[in-house]
Amino acid sequence: DSGVTQTPKHLITATGQRVTLRCSPRSGDLSVYWYQQSLDQGLQFLIHYYNGEERAKGNILERFSAQQFPDLHSELNLSSLELGDSALYFCASSAFSGTPYNEQFFGPGTRLTVL
Amino acid sequence: AQTVTQSQPEMSVQEAETVTLSCTYDTSESDYYLFWYKQPPSRQMILVIRQEAYKQQNATENRFSVNFQKAAKSFSLKISDSQLGDAAMYFCAYRSSLTQGGSEKLVFGKGMKLTVNP
Repeated sequence: DSGVTQTPKHLITATGQRVTLRCSPRSGDLSVYWYQQSLDQGLQFLIHYYNGEERAKGNILERFSAQQFPDLHSELNLSSLELGDSALYFCASSAFSGTPYNEQFFGPGTRLTVL
Repeated sequence: AQTVTQSQPEMSVQEAETVTLSCTYDTSESDYYLFWYKQPPSRQMILVIRQEAYKQQNATENRFSVNFQKAAKSFSLKISDSQLGDAAMYFCAYRSSLTQGGSEKLVFGKGMKLTVNP
């Protein structure tokens, strides 16, 4: 158990819908990262938040957005869902940002299925 | 942009034997980190081993060791005395060093499925 929690574990929805994935980082960790794991694209970085501020953006679609709240939990919002959005979405957390090395601890992931 | 390539999609090994997983990467940076992650059927991403590019010594963690060839941009993982619990997807990953203004994101290879035969 990494100490990172993600809810829900599984999510099944229809095309065109909107969903919210939630992540609680390890106690004390200030950084949250979101990754998408799909069969065709592999594991891809989406976005990084540090202490409530966006730090870096990766291959995140405009239909997707994220935020980190004052209590440091993060939410990834996916809207106008398409079949191709079906994937495993991971959240990872690390203690800081900007230090030479921060290990990223991964949560168990949320499996999203778009029908 | 950095890329990570794992050219072997699948491998198998007999229990108690040794197997080597290969990974190559491309970068113009001189300082960075390389990782091997394990993803068992539970889907949890587990860090196996880490290598800092500035260190010439290869990293070792119990039965896991790496062969880091910086000039060749090669980073292989050797698993000794393979166990049934080693069966999983293995991902090679790259991360820039912040001393060069890089991002903290992990760049992953496509992964390789390791089967351990009893």
